[in-house]
Amino acid sequence: AAGVIQSPRHLIKEKRETATLKCYPIPRHDTVYWYQQGPGQDPQFLISFYEKMQSDKGSIPDRFSAQQFSDYHSELNMSSLELGDSALYFCASSPQSDTQYFGPGTRLTVL
Amino acid sequence: DAKTTQPTSMDCAEGRAANLPCNHSTISGNEYVYWYRQIHSQGPQYIIHGLKNNETNEMASLIITEDRKSSTLILPHATLRDTAVYYCIVRVYENAGNMLTFGGGTRLMVKP
Repeated sequence: AAGVIQSPRHLIKEKRETATLKCYPIPRHDTVYWYQQGPGQDPQFLISFYEKMQSDKGSIPDRFSAQQFSDYHSELNMSSLELGDSALYFCASSPQSDTQYFGPGTRLTVL
Repeated sequence: DAKTTQPTSMDCAEGRAANLPCNHSTISGNEYVYWYRQIHSQGPQYIIHGLKNNETNEMASLIITEDRKSSTLILPHATLRDTAVYYCIVRVYENAGNMLTFGGGTRLMVKP
């Protein structure tokens, strides 16, 4: 069965640079979620979108923004990167409010 | 969403049943119990969920007490590949985009 696709899988950036992470949901899933997992921590919710509109918002820094496009894929844009932004970033998708299925994640390293 | 309490860690012998408890004493009537697991730095993997009835699928069984204040995830025949952090999460089902709140979880170690 098709799964959530995330790209890139690994990303290395310098401080103050920008990064864009992409998420392609499971076909026919209209809701996407972004989570951040720092080293040794649990995943923390950042933001979600349903039918291209922001649905829920967690502890997402103002330096981060995200959107969902007409084909339901989503992008997480991160600017002025800081060392503390180094983490795994997971995208999940679901059909409306149903069960969320996670992608393999993007490992971001900020040097 | 209601808070959950799980043991920090558990061990299980390979081939035996693993029973992972979860307390969610403040659960609301419209909140479901979800179980996910995360195998070292991989994306969290959905296991099972339920509202008030016991549920079973190809991965596990979920037993929810009648008062819904606690539940148990059962892996009937644990294998080494079941070693992971298991998260019990309660979540409102109604609104699209509702987040999952991961908290602590149980680190299950399956031993030969």
